[in-house]
Amino acid sequence: QKEVEQNSGPLSVPEGAIASLNCTYSDRGSQSFFWYRQYSGKSPELIMSIYSNGDKEDGRFTAQLNKASQYVSLLIRDSQPSDSATYLCAVNDMNRDDKIIFGKGTRLHILP
Amino acid sequence: GAGVSQSPSNKVTEKGKDVELRCDPISGHTALYWYRQSLGQGLEFLIYFQGNSAPDKSGLPSDRFSAERTGGSVSTLTIQRTQQEDSAVYLCASSPGSLAATDTQYFGPGTRLTVL
Repeated sequence: QKEVEQNSGPLSVPEGAIASLNCTYSDRGSQSFFWYRQYSGKSPELIMSIYSNGDKEDGRFTAQLNKASQYVSLLIRDSQPSDSATYLCAVNDMNRDDKIIFGKGTRLHILP
Repeated sequence: GAGVSQSPSNKVTEKGKDVELRCDPISGHTALYWYRQSLGQGLEFLIYFQGNSAPDKSGLPSDRFSAERTGGSVSTLTIQRTQQEDSAVYLCASSPGSLAATDTQYFGPGTRLTVL
């Protein structure tokens, strides 16, 4: 069983709409969850971190965490073409020295 | 302040040669990670340092790969007898504290390795 799973996409969303990116994880003990954005040919950069159940909002971005369902999502409101990138979900693995495990990422394409 | 730096930015080598990749983490960051990313693929974890010790080497693909970190700062990743399948972007990241569970990782620009 993969530890952090994401749909590889591409996910195509019209400009101005809400993009919804999903991630599931296998370690029930995980406590820390991260979303990174990676533009083509560039390194990943952190968008948001979330540690508690519920929603966390930062500008146009909202992270949602449901530990009971082992599910974390990222919503992007008012999607812009500049949001087109690969979004990586990352989760700490309590069974492996708290190492952060990355998913393979979802490619998001915002249609102008 | 300065971010994570990596050198060289690009490396082209012949099959069978050894290569050494360098990572300079953000000053004061105790944790350092090496990842590999092939074209269009996700991040493949290689090794993690906390200070100078490596609690987790599980991601190193073979005994041709080794890494060290000295003085709790600079790290080098060495690949011996390179093979074509080693071609990838090698990314380094550092994080500030000892709590890997909560620390943000800051990534360097990567080294693009091409093995001919």
